[in-house]
Amino acid sequence: DGGITQSPKYLFRKEGQNVTLSCEQNLNHDAMYWYRQDPGQGLRLIYYSQIVNDFQKGDIAEGYSVSREKKESFPLTVTSAQKNPTAFYLCASSPRGGLTYEQYFGPGTRLTVT
Amino acid sequence: AQSVTQLDSQVPVFEEAPVELRCNYSSSVSVYLFWYVQYPNQGLQLLLKYLSGSTLVESINGFEAEFNKSQTSFHLRKPSVHISDTAEYFCAVSDPAGGGNKLTFGTGTQLKVEL
Repeated sequence: DGGITQSPKYLFRKEGQNVTLSCEQNLNHDAMYWYRQDPGQGLRLIYYSQIVNDFQKGDIAEGYSVSREKKESFPLTVTSAQKNPTAFYLCASSPRGGLTYEQYFGPGTRLTVT
Repeated sequence: AQSVTQLDSQVPVFEEAPVELRCNYSSSVSVYLFWYVQYPNQGLQLLLKYLSGSTLVESINGFEAEFNKSQTSFHLRKPSVHISDTAEYFCAVSDPAGGGNKLTFGTGTQLKVEL
């Protein structure tokens, strides 16, 4: 089955700790994305990567970091510098330059920091 | 930069009634438009998309949306909703000139279908 997996589904951390969210895809997509979702604010782009070993900041990159060492993996680290990290995090992928231009989403990780 | 406006944050409707979820975007240049649906605690699923051609696009579960370039709108409609349509709906736009991969999302509309 092709798709995007995110783990874990729920994650709890203490304030001041870094935490890494996993995102893996087996769709052979070049581009991958991380979004943050908060009630009433829709989806906001954190980081995106169009090719291995390259990534760009999105609209709200402060306090986050990413890596793209493999085509199928795009982990997101929420650092202690992120002032309000509690949110629902969604990973997505798309074929770079593909004609459909749609993004395919994972099931999300709900992060709670106390 | 692109922006997407979904004016209605919540839309309550009775089962079997028609519904329209409104979406307006900012750009006057060619765009690609999408509607995604999100069920509670899940990721987003593509409902339908407009890339080119016919301005009326349909989904397999009875939703349709019409691209209106002059009004920069892409409203989503269904003539008769079902309880299972209860979900949050997001409109999104991409700019083909930018490669088409980066999407800008609206803030979402929560559709609540009641018996």
